[in-house]
Amino acid sequence: GDSVTQMEGPVTLSEEAFLTINCTYTATGYPSLFWYVQYPGEGLQLLLKATKADDKGSNKGFEATYRKETTSFHLEKGSVQVSDSAVYFCALQRRGGADGLTFGKGTHLIIQP
Amino acid sequence: GAGVSQTPSNKVTEKGKYVELRCDPISGHTALYWYRQSLGQGPEFLIYFQGTGAADDSGLPNDRFFAVRPEGSVSTLKIQRTERGDSAVYLCASSLHAATDTQYFGPGTRLTVL
Repeated sequence: GDSVTQMEGPVTLSEEAFLTINCTYTATGYPSLFWYVQYPGEGLQLLLKATKADDKGSNKGFEATYRKETTSFHLEKGSVQVSDSAVYFCALQRRGGADGLTFGKGTHLIIQP
Repeated sequence: GAGVSQTPSNKVTEKGKYVELRCDPISGHTALYWYRQSLGQGPEFLIYFQGTGAADDSGLPNDRFFAVRPEGSVSTLKIQRTERGDSAVYLCASSLHAATDTQYFGPGTRLTVL
């Protein structure tokens, strides 16, 4: 079945550091890929998405590129802020499927001032 | 506009009891999903509605779990004979039309089975 693997946390960085959170997937066909974020005390929010190979999703300074050859969708940000502290979830959805999202376990990101 | 709302926000029950969890999707959204998130895990898909019908209920763990959406808007997730292993946060999401549209999540209901 479909699955998403992302790096385990917590990931602790200093403010203004470069961020990478790795995500790889296993799926039939060519799924759509997503990053969701859950800030403390809040619900899941869509951060960015990409629907086909080589697409780059971006939002709030975060970026992720859909890499079919490596089945990856790594999340990056050039300079993190304390306000980026949250849990980040990588997810996939089979293209055109009447399916829910398949999520990774989440990566807890802690940014220290 | 209003987002997805879920009630109650917290529910504590005893093993063996019956519970109902409610989801109010964003107005006009025809697709509705239920997920379950256990501690330290990502959300796990349970069931997907398109309108009033369950288009995919393959994620329901067993026949103690059931969900309805009789008028194509509000949905209720029903759990019979609750077990301690059912303790989790139950999330609801809605999307405008098709399964491939962006899903918007509610704040969740934290269920604790004692």
